[in-house]
Amino acid sequence: KAGVTQTPRYLIKTRGQQVTLSCSPISGHRSVSWYQQTPGQGLQFLFEYFSETQRNKGNFPGRFSGRQFSNSRSEMNVSTLELGDSALYLCASSLGQFKSETQYFGPGTRLLVL
Amino acid sequence: SQQGEEDPQALSIQEGENATMNCSYKTSINNLQWYRQNSGRGLVHLILIRSNEREKHSGRLRVTLDTSKKSSSLLITASRAADTASYFCAPQASGGSYIPTFGRGTSLIVHP
Repeated sequence: KAGVTQTPRYLIKTRGQQVTLSCSPISGHRSVSWYQQTPGQGLQFLFEYFSETQRNKGNFPGRFSGRQFSNSRSEMNVSTLELGDSALYLCASSLGQFKSETQYFGPGTRLLVL
Repeated sequence: SQQGEEDPQALSIQEGENATMNCSYKTSINNLQWYRQNSGRGLVHLILIRSNEREKHSGRLRVTLDTSKKSSSLLITASRAADTASYFCAPQASGGSYIPTFGRGTSLIVHP
């Protein structure tokens, strides 16, 4: 099976712009989670989508949003970018059915906000 | 949500030595997972230990779990330069969501 893929891998934006990141999960996985990783804050959970519905949400402002399509692919959007949004954004997929599941991570999208 | 806290934050050892990383958490758990992250890349699952297990092995990895102390440890024996990475624990809380939450990790450097 192909692994989790994320596009684009690298992105440079300026403050005030918006950005959309994409994640394609492993075939058959219905849960997609997004994380933000920065040196200062570590790996922080953004939100999780399961069957096109947001099932869990982290503690991030409303500028961060996401969605999931019927084929389980997911996108996250960040509007009105701030310098502090510079980070590695990781998505992870899993079956989404059991509490002992392994999360399979993509390689990440590195976002730099200037 | 449940979050693990790894200790130490950084660890530097020589090839062939053992590396031990610790994880503490605050509430009761169903299981605890360990992940590895090579520099700037996605996380890779290493091992899962359930709350009713005390020790688990996978190759050169040994994980212990002490639910009374709410702590876990990851031991890498006979470390190699390729083990250089950050290691994260992810406790899954009883009654909590499906989603593991991660701490800041332990950065391990293995010198050849």
